[in-house]
Amino acid sequence: DAGVIQSPRHEVTEMGQEVTLRCKPISGHDYLFWYRQTMMRGLELLIYFNNNVPIDDSGMPEDRFSAKMPNASFSTLKIQPSEPRDSAVYFCASRVHRGRTGELFFGEGSRLTVL
Amino acid sequence: AQRVTQPEKLLSVFKGAPVELKCNYSYSGSPELFWYVQYSRQRLQLLLRHISRESIKGFTADLNKGETSFHLKKPFAQEEDSAMYYCALITSGSRLTFGEGTQLTVNP
Repeated sequence: DAGVIQSPRHEVTEMGQEVTLRCKPISGHDYLFWYRQTMMRGLELLIYFNNNVPIDDSGMPEDRFSAKMPNASFSTLKIQPSEPRDSAVYFCASRVHRGRTGELFFGEGSRLTVL
Repeated sequence: AQRVTQPEKLLSVFKGAPVELKCNYSYSGSPELFWYVQYSRQRLQLLLRHISRESIKGFTADLNKGETSFHLKKPFAQEEDSAMYYCALITSGSRLTFGEGTQLTVNP
């Protein structure tokens, strides 16, 4: 298994543009998480899904952010319109439900720069 | 609300010296705690979990409920231990909350 796959690895865009980040979780995993990593705030949970259903989106910073999981093998995180303060590394992670002790598997991240 | 605090953003030690990365948490329920590590140009990955009471790469972490801490320790640091370390807390509903991270540098 190639693990969690994220695309693009790097994205540079201008303020106001729409950004779409993509994630393919590990096959068979029923939880999917989106995190944002910055120097100041570390890893922040944005949203997570269970069996394709959003469970907790309280970490989504603003209405400009939206996430979908149309099927078990694909999720997107969209920012529209993007702003310079959205610049960060966005990680997708997945896990199998195993009580509360299941290991989280991370993708390599998508580094977003908004100019 | 659950919260994880790592008070040191940067930690620098010399090879062979002991190292301790601090982690404190706040959670009203029974905590399940983890340490994740991110080596340079690699994915974030699980290092150890408190319920396993294991030692991985020489690292150990003990849950102290009285002090609400889960500090990561290694008696003799190695250069290859240089990485970003995150403490994490899992709560009801499978939500995994991370601390701010500590960048460890082990100098030769």
